[in-house]
Amino acid sequence: QVQLHESGPGLVKPSETLSLTCTVSGGSFASYYWNWIRQTPGQGLEWIGYIHYGETSYNPSLRGRVTISVDASENQLSLKVSSVTAADTAVYYCARYQRDHYYYYGLDVWGQGTSVTVSS
Amino acid sequence: EIVLTQSPGTLSLSPGERATLSCRASESVSNSYLTWYQQKPGQAPRLLIYASSRRAAGLPDRFSGSGSGTEFTLTISRLEPEDFAVYFCQLYGYSHTFGQGTKLDIK
Repeated sequence: QVQLHESGPGLVKPSETLSLTCTVSGGSFASYYWNWIRQTPGQGLEWIGYIHYGETSYNPSLRGRVTISVDASENQLSLKVSSVTAADTAVYYCARYQRDHYYYYGLDVWGQGTSVTVSS
Repeated sequence: EIVLTQSPGTLSLSPGERATLSCRASESVSNSYLTWYQQKPGQAPRLLIYASSRRAAGLPDRFSGSGSGTEFTLTISRLEPEDFAVYFCQLYGYSHTFGQGTKLDIK
């Protein structure tokens, strides 16, 4: 049973870089798309980006500030968001999906989420 | 960018009743790319439906999805107490957009 667990600082100062880690247990990175998603009370759920065999894709609304990477030896997915503002305050989730030529199979495994507040 | 609009914002029903939740896309989309999630307070979303109508593993058959083009529906045939939650639709694509959610609460 694959499990995901997000970790990182709960408080980040404005203009600094938010850094989070997602540890994957019980499975491997192979064949899946590994995503970061965030949720705010006002904006709902927002897809941040994914990494898949080293290839990344980011939400255009965040492009330029986001970096997603994988350390396969540590079974960890990471997220960095630079130049944060209060608008980046959210619960951050990691999640995985599969797709093929026919279907998008949905985000079937999620972490429990980690809350990040941007404030001085 | 395609926008997903869910309605109603809140749906108040009683256990045993039928729930019908709507997700409308701002332009026609592929059935293969539309998913539904359930979220309870303090929990991550849970995948219910993928490809508009295919149930995720272990999902009770009281949940069903349907639709095509711009109109998609999640139906819960007979509400159980554990079904009262927030439901989101999501579209695979350019920004993997989510709808804003429908809150299903107990009447």
